[in-house]
Amino acid sequence: DTEVTQTPKHLVMGMTNKKSLKCEQHMGHRAMYWYKQKAKKPPELMFVYSYEKLSINESVPSRFSPECPNSSLLNLHLHALQPEDSALYLCASSQQQGTDDEQYFGPGTRLTVT
Amino acid sequence: AQSVTQLDSHVSVSEGTPVLLRCNYSSSYSPSLFWYVQHPNKGLQLLLKYTSAATLVKGINGFEAEFKKSETSFHLTKPSAHMSDAAEYFCALFKYGNKLVFGAGTILRVKS
Repeated sequence: DTEVTQTPKHLVMGMTNKKSLKCEQHMGHRAMYWYKQKAKKPPELMFVYSYEKLSINESVPSRFSPECPNSSLLNLHLHALQPEDSALYLCASSQQQGTDDEQYFGPGTRLTVT
Repeated sequence: AQSVTQLDSHVSVSEGTPVLLRCNYSSSYSPSLFWYVQHPNKGLQLLLKYTSAATLVKGINGFEAEFKKSETSFHLTKPSAHMSDAAEYFCALFKYGNKLVFGAGTILRVKS
C-alpha cells in the first residue's frame, strides 16, 4: 500500500481562525514532508520531518506550525493566515530522509483563506 | 546548482500518437531524477525514477524516460497517448538533504 491520506480535502478559513491539516501514512516511512502548491506552479517544500523530528524548515512563516505526533501522522497547524496562503497543501512521505527514495504524495488539502 | 528545466509549458497531441515531454537538468554530480504526474485537483503520482542503474527507465502506464548525460536530458515518452494521460507532468531532481526540486511543469492535452 503506497497511500498517503490527507484530511480535509477542502478547507475555507478566515484570517483569524485556527485550523489543522492532517496527513497519515502506513508504509513505515520515517520521513514526512509538507509542500505548498500555488495554482499553475510546482510544489514548494515547506517542512521535512525525519524520525518525528523537524529536520528542515524552508523559512516558512510562523503562522504555519508543523507537528509530528508519531511516525505515521503529520499535522500542519494554521493560525492567522493571509489570503496569499490559499493553495493546495500536499503531504508526502519517503523511507528515509537524505536518500533519493521515492516520495509518495497525498491528494492534498485545498485551502482557501478569506 | 541543481535544477531542472521543462522545455515546454504545454504539449498537445492527438489520441494514439506519441508523447514527448522534455526535461533538462543541471547537476554537478550524477543526479537522481523523477517524473511525476498530477491530474486536476489531485496529488502527485510517481511515474518513474532514474538512479543510474539503467539509462532507459520504464514507468507506470506505458511511460518511459531516457537519461542522456551528454545532453543533460531526461525526456519522458509514451508511444501512444490516451485521453486519460491528460494532466500536468513534473520533472524533479533529488537535491542533497532529501529535497526534491521540481520543474515548472508541462500540461499535456490529448485531443480525440
